[in-house]
Amino acid sequence: DTGVSQNPRHKITKRGQNVTFRCDPISEHNRLYWYRQTLGQGPEFLTYFQNEAQLEKSRLLSDRFSAERPKGSFSTLEIQRTEQGDSAMYLCASSLAGQRFYGYTFGSGTRLTVV
Amino acid sequence: DQQVKQNSPSLSVQEGRISILNCDYTNSMFDYFLWYKKYPAEGPTFLISISSIKDKNEDGRFTVFLNKSAKHLSLHIVPSQPGDSAVYFCAASGDGGSQGNLIFGKGTKLSVKP
Repeated sequence: DTGVSQNPRHKITKRGQNVTFRCDPISEHNRLYWYRQTLGQGPEFLTYFQNEAQLEKSRLLSDRFSAERPKGSFSTLEIQRTEQGDSAMYLCASSLAGQRFYGYTFGSGTRLTVV
Repeated sequence: DQQVKQNSPSLSVQEGRISILNCDYTNSMFDYFLWYKKYPAEGPTFLISISSIKDKNEDGRFTVFLNKSAKHLSLHIVPSQPGDSAVYFCAASGDGGSQGNLIFGKGTKLSVKP
């Protein structure tokens, strides 16, 4: 397994456009998480899935954000009508349920720049 | 309100010496604590964790200590190596039953000088 894969690595978009990011987790992991990281901050939780069910969403996840994991494998995070404040690194992670002691495996992230 | 705090933005240590990174938390509901290391342009990498029922966990050069009464944990790296230079994040899990949400501190940038 090559770990958690995120695409694209970088995305530059104009304000008001929609963007979509993809995450492919480690194949045997049933949990998938999305985080956002801005400069000088630690990663902030956005949402997570167990299999295809979205179990928790942060208040950071405004109505412009939507995440899916349709078949319990890969996931997409879509941001509609992007704003400059959405510029950040978007991180995806995966894990097995019930194994919090072993941490999550993070991908390298997608860096979004909204101009 | 920050529930996980890393009050030192940076730390510089000589190669071979001990690095001690500190973390404080406010929520007594946390039941797991984790340390991650992050290099530029990469995602965080899991280092070591500790359950709230333990006070120490060791893995090679890395040891995490937990002081529940003080709501404080620390990561010790002995001996420090130049390749340890990275940003280290403390994270906590188990906030009020939320098991999907790791709460991170802002990180401490460790520089290990040869």
